[in-house]
Amino acid sequence: RKEVEQDPGPFNVPEGATVAFNCTYSNSASQSFFWYRQDCRKEPKLLMSVYSSGNEDGRFTAQLNRASQYISLLIRDSKLSDSATYLCPSNSGGYQKVTFGTGTKLQVIP
Amino acid sequence: NAGVTQTPKFQVLKTGQSMTLQCAQDMNHNSMYWYRQDPGMGLRLIYYSASEGTTDKGEVPNGYNVSRLNKREFSLRLESAAPSQTSVYFCASVQGSDSGNTIYFGEGSWLTVV
Repeated sequence: RKEVEQDPGPFNVPEGATVAFNCTYSNSASQSFFWYRQDCRKEPKLLMSVYSSGNEDGRFTAQLNRASQYISLLIRDSKLSDSATYLCPSNSGGYQKVTFGTGTKLQVIP
Repeated sequence: NAGVTQTPKFQVLKTGQSMTLQCAQDMNHNSMYWYRQDPGMGLRLIYYSASEGTTDKGEVPNGYNVSRLNKREFSLRLESAAPSQTSVYFCASVQGSDSGNTIYFGEGSWLTVV
């Protein structure tokens, strides 16, 4: 079983819609949480960190549910440019072994 | 600031040939990683090096070897390439401390084995 599970999607949403997806962790040892974004044929890049109290960055809201071992990403007012795959890493052992979920593909439709 | 640099960007190999993918980072990071990415499979960890002088197997190590040459460089070797190793390969690095835990990736190496 992978250490982090994601719905691979694709999530097809119209422009302006609100969309949310999760990463569920099987390894409770993960101490820090992040969302990464990967555009087609590009490398993943950090989108945002996820803090215990939840955090926002413009149209993006990240939340952590430590008890249920998942993080969520909410995107409001979706833009065409939000179309990408969203990934989350699992860092068991403090950045020794870092694995990723399958990623969730988001396609925002005009 | 170059970040993580990996070479080559594109390579076509014949079955049974060997090759080495090179990766270097200039951020003085402790940990380095090699992933492969296939359609619908996400990033799968091949090998990682938590610090200079150490390497460990990841999720899919078979058919690969690695060398952490020094703190900057982490190479991935295919000894006898197989069509199943056709993939996009990403090298990554992270400081791995409270002061820096963003994972930085190279631009990827597109490998085709025919």
